[in-house]
Amino acid sequence: EAQVTQNPRYLITVTGKKLTVTCSQNMNHEYMSWYRQDPGLGLRQIYYSMNVEVTDKGDVPEGYKVSRKEKRNFPLILESPSPNQTSLYFCASRDQGFSGYTFGSGTRLTVV
Amino acid sequence: QKEVEQDPGPLSVPEGAIVSLNCTYSNSAFQYFMWYRQYSRKGPELLMYTYSSGNKEDGRFTAQVDKSSKYISLFIRDSQPSDSATYLCAMSARGDDKIIFGKGTRLHILP
Repeated sequence: EAQVTQNPRYLITVTGKKLTVTCSQNMNHEYMSWYRQDPGLGLRQIYYSMNVEVTDKGDVPEGYKVSRKEKRNFPLILESPSPNQTSLYFCASRDQGFSGYTFGSGTRLTVV
Repeated sequence: QKEVEQDPGPLSVPEGAIVSLNCTYSNSAFQYFMWYRQYSRKGPELLMYTYSSGNKEDGRFTAQVDKSSKYISLFIRDSQPSDSATYLCAMSARGDDKIIFGKGTRLHILP
C-alpha cells in the first residue's frame, strides 16, 4: 500500500530534550515536506526537500532541523523543544511535476 | 491580503443537501488547484485537483475554478454524514513549487 508513515503518533516530552520524528514513504517520491497544523493557523510548512541532500526552509523553520540522506526518509529533528512547538505535525510526499501531496497520519507533539 | 482565504465554518447542512465550499486567492499566478479532505485525527487526503479554469467532476464531487474572479469552489451533491470533515483548498503556481493551503472549512452533515 502506498503510504507515508510517521512515528511516533503521540509524543509528550519536556522542554529542551532533543527528539526526532521519523517519516518514511514507499512511493519513490522526489518531494517531501513537513507541516505543522495549529488551530486558526492552518497548515504551515516547516521544511521541504526536493531530493536527496536537497532541503530548504519553509514558512516556520525556526527550532527545527531536517535531513534527507535517503530518498524514502525525511526525519524532523527538534534539538531543544519548547512549549510553542506543541502542535500536530504532518509529513507529506509527492512526485515530480504536478501532483498533490500524500500525507502521513500525523504526530501530536506536546512539549511541557 | 492573505494569499488564500477560506471561511473556517463550521458549516452544518442536512443530509442530502448540496454543499458549496469556497476559497478566494490573491496570486494570479496560481494555476493548480486542489481540494483536500481531513477527517478528525487524520492527515489530509487529496480529493480532487484541477489545472487552470473550468470544472472537474468525480462522482458526487465537482471542483470549479474561476480565475477571472480568483475564486474556487467544491460542490458536494447528495451529501452524506460520512462527508463530515474539514475541507482544505490548496493551490500553486507551477506544478513543482510550493503549495499554499487554505485554513480549512469544517463541514457537518446532519443525519
